[in-house]
Amino acid sequence: SQTIHQWPATLVQPVGSPLSLECTVEGTSNPNLYWYRQAAGRGLQLLFYSVGIGQISSEVPQNLSASRPQDRQFILSSKKLLLSDSGFYLCAWTRDTQETQYFGPGTRLLVL
Amino acid sequence: GDSVTQMEGPVTLSEEAFLTINCTYTATGYPSLFWYVQYPGEGLQLLLKATKADDKGSNKGFEATYRKETTSFHLEKGSVQVSDSAVYFCALRSQGGSEKLVFGKGTKLTVNP
Repeated sequence: SQTIHQWPATLVQPVGSPLSLECTVEGTSNPNLYWYRQAAGRGLQLLFYSVGIGQISSEVPQNLSASRPQDRQFILSSKKLLLSDSGFYLCAWTRDTQETQYFGPGTRLLVL
Repeated sequence: GDSVTQMEGPVTLSEEAFLTINCTYTATGYPSLFWYVQYPGEGLQLLLKATKADDKGSNKGFEATYRKETTSFHLEKGSVQVSDSAVYFCALRSQGGSEKLVFGKGTKLTVNP
């Protein structure tokens, strides 16, 4: 069966510090991968998606970037965090665009 | 562009009450429709889905019917339990397959014993 992992689970970072969140999927190959952010009191916002290694599509201009160095690894990064980057970050995967997205447990980020 | 509108919460019910969470959408053609649930402190889990008009998705006592004529996908449960307390998200994926899901803002449900 397939599983999706995210770490860390919780992170508290000062403004201006760098960020690296990791998402990995097990039990499948060549998944489509997604990063979402859920800010307090708001819905889910799609940040990035990837259909293959090195292929990243950005949905909104922002302070964040994403990379996919391996088939089942998706990384969300920032060089300098802003207060507005605080939120709950969710990674998701699908086998292909016709199927349901499955979500990881999320990373809660607090920028102070 | 495509969009999803959910009833605003929070919704507070007593155990065994009837639940309806409204969801309407705007999209061209026939999108696929989903309900996801997020329990406190966790990621999202797929609750149910429907991929064509008049389909009914069901799971764990929850149901939702894809109504093309009213562009709706309302979530219902006949008798809620305390363990159903969570945030519920309605979502769509555009017809023809798309890399992206469009989510509603979520509705927080609290069920009291």
